[in-house]
Amino acid sequence: EIVLTQSPATLSLSPGERATLSCRASQSVSSYLAWYQQKPGQAPRLLIYDASNRATGIPARFSGSGSETDFTLTISNLEPEDFAVYFCQHRRNWPLTFGPGTKVDVK
Amino acid sequence: EVQLVESGGGLIQPGGSLRLSCAASGFTFSNSWMTWVRQAPGKGLEWVATIKEDGSEKYYVDSAKGRFTISRDNAKNSLYLQMNSLRAEDTAVYYCARDLRAVTGHYFDYWGQGTLVTVSS
Repeated sequence: EIVLTQSPATLSLSPGERATLSCRASQSVSSYLAWYQQKPGQAPRLLIYDASNRATGIPARFSGSGSETDFTLTISNLEPEDFAVYFCQHRRNWPLTFGPGTKVDVK
Repeated sequence: EVQLVESGGGLIQPGGSLRLSCAASGFTFSNSWMTWVRQAPGKGLEWVATIKEDGSEKYYVDSAKGRFTISRDNAKNSLYLQMNSLRAEDTAVYYCARDLRAVTGHYFDYWGQGTLVTVSS
């Protein structure tokens, strides 16, 4: 099973700042990694797939990068609606797994 | 508009059974892989099971193998999760999600609102 580790667990920032979230895989997942955003009481929302492709309707301030074992989600200019929990997920093989999440909260 | 609506959750005693349903609309259900993902209260996301468009392939997380069965009825645009021998650790919100396998890979672009399963005596 591929284990995904996310850091930091919590990121405290102010609106307008840049957020950099990390996801590390226990073995190579090639570029087969996605990022999701989840707000309290809501279902997750797909942001990025295959490491760097924005999903339909996702603003350009969200970008993804990385390959193999190290991945980054960057939110270039935090908007108030971006404060949420972010999960990564791989699709390299079965079982599919998610990272534990990074909470981006207001400083 | 794509909609996924789960139902069937509730309070169940350990060892009991429950069948979750997910009604899909707004897309061609029979052309889509589908997946169940769960989230324990205050915890992260856990993939549970995935089924191919025609039901010919099914995949499960180890903790669900032998106890859960994913199925679908394309004529009814519905996805199911039969859960037997339920344990306290199965307590979670269960989401059905559209799987993008047919397009790009096993990612999930549409999710239902979730249905809560509570396993407790």
